[in-house]
Amino acid sequence: GAGVSQSPSNKVTEKGKDVELRCDPISGHTALYWYRQRLGQGLEFLIYFQGNSAPDKSGLPSDRFSAERTGESVSTLTIQRTQQEDSAVYLCASSLNGWGGKNEAFFGQGTRLTVV
Amino acid sequence: DQQVKQNSPSLSVQEGRISILNCDYTNSMFDYFLWYKKYPAEGPTFLISISSIKDKNEDGRFTVFLNKSAKHLSLHIVPSQPGDSAVYFCAASAKGGSEKLVFGKGTKLTVNP
Repeated sequence: GAGVSQSPSNKVTEKGKDVELRCDPISGHTALYWYRQRLGQGLEFLIYFQGNSAPDKSGLPSDRFSAERTGESVSTLTIQRTQQEDSAVYLCASSLNGWGGKNEAFFGQGTRLTVV
Repeated sequence: DQQVKQNSPSLSVQEGRISILNCDYTNSMFDYFLWYKKYPAEGPTFLISISSIKDKNEDGRFTVFLNKSAKHLSLHIVPSQPGDSAVYFCAASAKGGSEKLVFGKGTKLTVNP
């Protein structure tokens, strides 16, 4: 597809279970970002991949959160032992060359995660 | 610590009038600012940006103004249209925009016909 694709679009999980969220960036985009938006909050940075550089994990809220990216393609965000406070919309974005000037980030539609 | 603040959670204007969305920031290292627009059940989309070397950038009906001394920026939409109804996020970055984007909480704009 032409845009950033995320799956699933909605996920309901029980507290304590692990979840995996997937992001397919725009082909050719070297940079990929994960953000989350909790209810009534802004977009919270989680992690940033840029080419072969070490990812910027400074936004991951706890060691229950991890993310991987295979080359310059698909990324998965994994949340282990989910808690109710993990409920949020998880947004993935990609850009051609990372942040910088007119390197516009294109967002996917998000995955709405509900932990019950 | 909210580095980018959008103090108005919502704004309602009449079609044809001006919409003014405000944003304040605290980090003096920020030198690149963007506005994103978000419709329900969709991801945010880029709208307009401004570098700190400018104080105004215009794109059609959208104009962003930057006041560096006040650490304040605003987005003006003239004339406002019902299709502009969405949540608008202000975002900022440092080092010419090469650092990660820091977003505000958003302002929900409603344009009434």
